[in-house]
Amino acid sequence: AQKVTQAQTEISVVEKEDVTLDCVYETRDTTYYLFWYKQPPSGELVFLIRRNSFDEQNEISGRYSWNFQKSTSSFNFTITASQVVDSAVYFCALRGVSGGSNYKLTFGKGTLLTVNP
Amino acid sequence: EAGVAQSPRYKIIEKRQSVAFWCNPISGHATLYWYQQILGQGPKLLIQFQNNGVVDDSQLPKDRFSAERLKGVDSTLKIQPAKLEDSAVYLCASSHYRQGISGANVLTFGAGSRLTVL
Repeated sequence: AQKVTQAQTEISVVEKEDVTLDCVYETRDTTYYLFWYKQPPSGELVFLIRRNSFDEQNEISGRYSWNFQKSTSSFNFTITASQVVDSAVYFCALRGVSGGSNYKLTFGKGTLLTVNP
Repeated sequence: EAGVAQSPRYKIIEKRQSVAFWCNPISGHATLYWYQQILGQGPKLLIQFQNNGVVDDSQLPKDRFSAERLKGVDSTLKIQPAKLEDSAVYLCASSHYRQGISGANVLTFGAGSRLTVL
């Protein structure tokens, strides 16, 4: 069975602060993908990043960066110099591609990030 | 490319009535998913199609929910009869199937259909 845990239900920061969203996962699959999606108030889930289980290199894209640590089953997401437009619910998700998980994409419960001006 | 289309965006019904949601995936995406997102929670997979075949419907309440994808393209999700706890946003998503394709395993979501059951 797959499980994704986002322990932080809500985070509130002031603009320009850095913020890290935590994600811990469980899977029996040996090959899997990890994702982060953003859900702004409009409701549509927007894909941010995909990481496969064989690639533990951290990734940076503008103000966003991701820290994947297989040893601790974590895939944390950091926003540097946060902006009001970053306010949204952020979901971490896991998709197994082996072990009979049927490619199911399992989401965490999400973290509501509020960036105040 | 055009995104995942869903309709209606909003629907209000009374309990025990029926409702249907429609989804048209991105052209060429063989895999189609229906997710249920209850307020304050993450999306939960209801059913996953590969072309017009069902891959996973283990979390679909089959006594009241049904879904079909007859021609392997668009899909309909039906609820009959609706219960209060069915109030949620129903998200449709699609993805490539073949692993070698760039973007495989990335689901693209539609804007969702918000259902309120009174």
